[in-house]
Amino acid sequence: DVKVTQSSRYLVKRTGEKVFLECVQDMDHENMFWYRQDPGLGLRLIYFSYDVKMKEKGDIPEGYSVSREKKERFSLILESASTNQTSMYLCASSPVLPRDTIYFGEGSWLTVV
Amino acid sequence: AQKITQTQPGMFVQEKEAVTLDCTYDTSDQSYGLFWYKQPSSGEMIFLIYQGSYDEQNATEGRYSLNFQKARKSANLVISASQLGDSAMYFCAMREGGEYKLSFGAGTTVTVRA
Repeated sequence: DVKVTQSSRYLVKRTGEKVFLECVQDMDHENMFWYRQDPGLGLRLIYFSYDVKMKEKGDIPEGYSVSREKKERFSLILESASTNQTSMYLCASSPVLPRDTIYFGEGSWLTVV
Repeated sequence: AQKITQTQPGMFVQEKEAVTLDCTYDTSDQSYGLFWYKQPSSGEMIFLIYQGSYDEQNATEGRYSLNFQKARKSANLVISASQLGDSAMYFCAMREGGEYKLSFGAGTTVTVRA
């Protein structure tokens, strides 16, 4: 079974803190994604990566950055957390074939106070 | 513009009945794929079913079937014989052309009543 593991399930951070959300996948997938989920808005893509050290902005990249130094690991960074970044963050990975689904981690619930 | 539209924020269904979840999409690509996911209250996203734009048959996976109407750009999910464990949020998603990413709708919450 594909396993996408997010390092923290629940986090509470203060405004202005630097926040790291870590994600590891064990299936040698080329593509990795960070989505944000908010009620009524569904999932919105923040960033994705199609190879090591490669990244592309998604629909809502402002206030976020990412890092992919190794194929299996994709990190989301909030340089200076703000209260409007309180949300559920979902990491995902996929192989390259168009018919393939993407596989999600369990999600990280981030609260910024 | 919204690529995936799910117009039903929430639905109630009686156990053992069928339920249809609406999904319309917007793309100018000829090649695309449509996905449905289930998200229980635990938060995990579970892949349910896939339909390719060139697939001639409607996709089916157990109690899930996808009513694909290409001309109307709709990809409705039908859950037959609903069970209490079907209570969850359901998301429709699309992958366009040569893209890697999926675009998601806002989701529909389904509550199954005993």
